[in-house]
Amino acid sequence: QSALTQPPSASGSPGQSVTISCTGTSSDVGAYDYVSWYQQYPGKAPKLVIYEVKRRPSGVPDRFSAYKSGNTASLTVSGLQAEDEADYYCSSYAGSNTFNWVFGGGTKLTVL
Amino acid sequence: QLQVVESGGGVVQPGGSLRLSCAASGITFRSYDMHWVRQAPGKGLEWVALMRYDGDIKYYGDSVKGRFTISRDNSKNTLYVQMNNLRVEDTAVYFCAKGFWNAFDIWGQGTVVTVSS
Repeated sequence: QSALTQPPSASGSPGQSVTISCTGTSSDVGAYDYVSWYQQYPGKAPKLVIYEVKRRPSGVPDRFSAYKSGNTASLTVSGLQAEDEADYYCSSYAGSNTFNWVFGGGTKLTVL
Repeated sequence: QLQVVESGGGVVQPGGSLRLSCAASGITFRSYDMHWVRQAPGKGLEWVALMRYDGDIKYYGDSVKGRFTISRDNSKNTLYVQMNNLRVEDTAVYFCAKGFWNAFDIWGQGTVVTVSS
């Protein structure tokens, strides 16, 4: 069982927007602005698409946006494209007395 | 181009040991925290271990604490993890990843570890 809770699946048609939630606790998502999101294609390495709750690394299109409210973070993919179909994982720093990171179980995004 | 390449995976019996390596290129390796993250077959990601850039601080996930040891050789731009007393549940693809603002921004392609009798 993953530390962060994500819906197992999400879907949308091309051009639409879809939002994926990531629920943690006051010890991880709620405690730190260190939520990140990763895109992973089957058999490939994850790719960072969001860090520090809402920042996009260089090269990530602005169709990817994210925010956090309390213990829940969310990733929105706007203007869905076929290439967005992938698994998405959230992560949060969860250290207090130690360094620790937790992940969600992943959400399979299907572009219909 | 910044990249990291893992190696050392394989098949090992329960209770056995394995050492994984992660060779970095195109980056000032000694300046960055480095992590190991794993993914069991069909499952999500799990953070395994961190080694701070200077090699002085190491942290481990609860599931591997006491069995895995992370290390690095900055002169060789290489990160390692020594895995002892392996269990069936350690079966996974092991990725090394560069730390970036409490996230992971550069990942290798992974190396597969299978623990089976």
